[in-house]
Amino acid sequence: TQLLEQSPQFLSIQEGENLTVYCNSSSVFSSLQWYRQEPGEGPVLLVTVVTGGEVKKLKRLTFQFGDARKDSSLHITAAQPGDTGLYLCAGLGAPYGNNRLAFGKGNQVVVIP
Amino acid sequence: GAVVSQHPSWVICKSGTSVKIECRSLDFQATTMFWYRQFPKQSLMLMATSNEGSKATYEQGVEKDKFLINHASLTLSTLTVTSAHPEDSSFYICSARALHTGHYYEQYFGPGTRLTVT
Repeated sequence: TQLLEQSPQFLSIQEGENLTVYCNSSSVFSSLQWYRQEPGEGPVLLVTVVTGGEVKKLKRLTFQFGDARKDSSLHITAAQPGDTGLYLCAGLGAPYGNNRLAFGKGNQVVVIP
Repeated sequence: GAVVSQHPSWVICKSGTSVKIECRSLDFQATTMFWYRQFPKQSLMLMATSNEGSKATYEQGVEKDKFLINHASLTLSTLTVTSAHPEDSSFYICSARALHTGHYYEQYFGPGTRLTVT
């Protein structure tokens, strides 16, 4: 059973469109991190959300942490080809405690020029 | 953000030889580092958690005698794949944990090492 479910698994959109991807769990996390990974490279940390209901913005990327700290979403406005990549969410907390991250399988996003 | 380096970025070795991969936190000290393995089109699989000055904790199914981990300092952890075989070919990624000023942990990843065993 996957602790963190990411949907959709794959998303292809045209440049300039908006998109939202989701990261859901039945577990509560003390914090949740979003990464973007490109082929052949390690994941790059985009943001960490800690407080329930928190919204953080990183240029055209908006991250939201659910009120109950069980889910999160990533919204990209006016997507660009450079946004193409595998977006991974990772939570810290139950059932692994605060010592290791639980990863979702990722949202593969392709932005077509 | 914090920077984690890995060396080498790729390595090809013959079956039966050993390979060492280094992971360094460049601008912060990391009491805890992690080693992951990633297969094509899959998410990261945690292999072991390494704490400075103590033995690593391995995940179930990971052979500790095959994947030797040493975390001798607050900025360096090494993974040695001993007696490598073709099935050990994979993308290995290290990660270092840092305490954010907001009193929560963040994990930063290295660029990964592509190991090919022939």
